[in-house]
Amino acid sequence: ETGVTQTPRHLVMGMTNKKSLKCEQHLGHNAMYWYKQSAKKPLELMFVYSLEERVENNSVPSRFSPECPNSSHLFLHLHTLQPEDSALYLCASSQETGRALWGEQFFGPGTRLTVL
Amino acid sequence: AQTVTQSQPEMSVQEAETVTLSCTYDTSENNYYLFWYKQPPSRQMILVIRQEAYKQQNATENRFSVNFQKAAKSFSLKISDSQLGDTAMYFCAFMKSGNSGGSNYKLTFGKGTLLTVNP
Repeated sequence: ETGVTQTPRHLVMGMTNKKSLKCEQHLGHNAMYWYKQSAKKPLELMFVYSLEERVENNSVPSRFSPECPNSSHLFLHLHTLQPEDSALYLCASSQETGRALWGEQFFGPGTRLTVL
Repeated sequence: AQTVTQSQPEMSVQEAETVTLSCTYDTSENNYYLFWYKQPPSRQMILVIRQEAYKQQNATENRFSVNFQKAAKSFSLKISDSQLGDTAMYFCAFMKSGNSGGSNYKLTFGKGTLLTVNP
């Protein structure tokens, strides 16, 4: 595997389900991101992890819970979602120095989530 | 707060022709970065080109170049000799520079422009 991978690629879940999205980066980067991409709207940053520490959650509802066990893996745990949470969820990674995050972000293919 | 506006939801161009995608942004920052990302259909988003605001020279990457007008807060992307593989959503994005933490690492995206290259 190379680059940034995400599983599953497609997910359909009911509002009462609990599921998790997985992201893995094979680039040796030290920062990882979750974005939400909805139709006709700009990409929205949800979470940022730098050196495995969460540094930004951008006022995301608590039904989304991120986890970053190490610098290569990022999870997004989902529970009691709403239909409006249906979207493409993108993971990205970058190599950053210190507290300044400004490098190129490499994106995964995304998970297409549908909440029924 | 920063905003990024892409006023062209869709554009089309004939193969081998040149096309320019528009992007304007609003910020009170003086130091920042601007990006163009490309998202082909059902494929991963990739960085096309990046511009540091303190550099007056416009960035170029092969067939891709930008026209950065800092005073006008404009950052357009020109694609020369368009190819079928250029068909994609193109996103303009903004990021503050600096190391004071907070939201400096946040990429603010525009809504995107869907570019179709016709044979």
